[in-house]
Amino acid sequence: DTGVSQDPRHKITKRGQNVTFRCDPISEHNRLYWYRQTLGQGPEFLTYFQNEAQLEKSRLLSDRFSAERPKGSFSTLEIQRTEQGDSAMYLCASSLTTEAFFGQGTRLTVV
Amino acid sequence: GIQVEQSPPDLILQEGANSTLRCNFSDSVNNLQWFHQNPWGQLINLFYIPSGTKQNGRLSATTVATERYSLLYISSSQTTDSGVYFCAVNGGTSYGKLTFGQGTILTVHP
Repeated sequence: DTGVSQDPRHKITKRGQNVTFRCDPISEHNRLYWYRQTLGQGPEFLTYFQNEAQLEKSRLLSDRFSAERPKGSFSTLEIQRTEQGDSAMYLCASSLTTEAFFGQGTRLTVV
Repeated sequence: GIQVEQSPPDLILQEGANSTLRCNFSDSVNNLQWFHQNPWGQLINLFYIPSGTKQNGRLSATTVATERYSLLYISSSQTTDSGVYFCAVNGGTSYGKLTFGQGTILTVHP
């Protein structure tokens, strides 16, 4: 399967803990995006990478959030000191031009 | 930023019925995609359609960019068509950031 892959699929964590998610884009896709989706809403843009450079961050991405894409391949999204409001589906997408392809998502539950 | 509105918010059909989902957007776009979100949360690409008409089996889509709307047609609906349908647009950023509508929840009964 050469689609976008995310890991883990589900994560339950206690409030205050740090969590890290991984995204492996479709090979050769130089653009990578993170989105967040809460219940009953459409996904909302968080951040964008072109190769290894992080070129835009949404205001939704507070200081507790950090994303990296070393060497322009896979990406990680870390949330420090998780809060209950961080509970959501975190979606990764990649593209070569403008058509985006999404992974299965990581569903985070903060208890 | 660009606004995206989808209608109807909910749609309930009997198997075999046809339906039309609408997406209105507030500004010119250089990308428009339709997705189906499956029960496990994954967004499945249906159409990449910034303009014109495309068909794929029982599904077809039309985007009239000058009038800022897109339509998704589902014919002879099946229970497996159930789920949430999202329209998403790129409002002109150079790198393809998508703005999503709120979605249409489709339920198809046998």
